[in-house]
Formats: sequence, C-alpha cells, structure tokens
Amino acid sequence: DGGITQSPKYLFRKEGQNVTLSCEQNLNHDAMYWYRQDPGQGLRLIYYSQIVNDFQKGDIAEGYSVSREKKESFPLTVTSAQKNPTAFYLCASRRQVANTGELFFGEGSRLTVL
Amino acid sequence: AQSVTQPDIHITVSEGASLELRCNYSYGATPYLFWYVQSPGQGLQLLLKYFSGDTLVQGIKGFEAEFKRSQSSFNLRKPSVHWSDAAEYFCAVGLTGGGNKLTFGTGTQLKVEL
Repeated sequence: DGGITQSPKYLFRKEGQNVTLSCEQNLNHDAMYWYRQDPGQGLRLIYYSQIVNDFQKGDIAEGYSVSREKKESFPLTVTSAQKNPTAFYLCASRRQVANTGELFFGEGSRLTVL
Repeated sequence: AQSVTQPDIHITVSEGASLELRCNYSYGATPYLFWYVQSPGQGLQLLLKYFSGDTLVQGIKGFEAEFKRSQSSFNLRKPSVHWSDAAEYFCAVGLTGGGNKLTFGTGTQLKVEL
C-alpha cells in the first residue's frame, strides 16, 4: 500500500545532539512538507520541498535542516541550535505542486529532549 | 498573510447529539479549505475539502462542511456523533500561490460522552 513512513516513532535525545527524522513516501508525490505540532498550537510549517534538490523555509525553520536528494525522501535534522525541540513532528506530501491537492500525512515522530 | 481561527479549544457532546465545529479564516481571495482529523499519537486524515462550486461539501465518516464567504467560515458538522469521533479536528486553509502551503488552525479537541 502507498503511504508515508516516518521513523523512528519515538526518539530521545540529549541536549546538544543533532538528530535526524526520516520521511519516505511511495506515492510518487512531488511536494513534501515537515510540520511541528505542539499542544494548543496546531501545526507549524518547518520546511517544504516542491521538487528534488530544492526546498524552502517555512515559518519556524530556525534550528532545523533538510535535504531532498530523492523524490521519495525528505529527512529532517533537528540541530542543537533548536532551543525547544521536544515536539511531535509530522511529515506530509502532496500529489501535485498545484495548491488544490490535499496533504497526506505520516504517523509522526515524537522527539523528547532529556 | 492568511490565518485560521478555531475558537473552541475543547468541545464535549453526548453520543447521538449533533456537532458543529467552527472555523474562520482570514484571506483576501477565495481560499482552498480543508478539515482534518487526528487520533492521539497519529497523523492527520482528511475529512473533506472545498475548492469551488457547491458550498456544502460532504466528507468521510458522515461529516459535512459549509463554506460561507460572507462570514469567512467553514464550519464542520455531523448530525449524530459516535463515540469513535472523539479526536482532535483541524481546519486548514491553502494558499493560491507562494509555496502551496497549508496553514492550520490550533485545533478543537472533541470529547464524546456515552
């Protein structure tokens, strides 16, 4: 079945460490997105990519980095510069670059900084 | 910039009762509008979407939503709530340009009393 796979589902990190969250999709979607979810704040866009080898900052990109070397993969690195990284991270993809396409979401990765 | 407001943080209804979740948006043009549902620790699932045409849209699981341009609203409704509808609901608005991003509201947590 086609879908979006995020791993790991749970991740614990010590302060000062970088961590990378994986996002893989087999839907042949062009665009991919990373959102951060905190209680009471909804989803906030971190980075997005509309095409391979290109990506743009979202609303809260500071302390994060991404790459898009393959169409199906869009990993997110949470760097030590992110001051409050504990959150639920959601990866999503869209079938077409045009705005009418719905977002398909993975099941999320929960990062906890100890 | 566009924004989405979900004024109700928590709503509690009895099973079998009707439900209406409110969503208001701020955007200059006619937006693309979405409702998503999220179960605890999971990703988001699309309930329904509005792009154009009939302002009353039907979605999955018996949900519907009505787009009212004059009120800048896109409220979600269900005639009879089931206990399995307990979840968090997010309204989102899509840009018609500039990155094809979705902006999400802060969510409404629905509790269903048996």
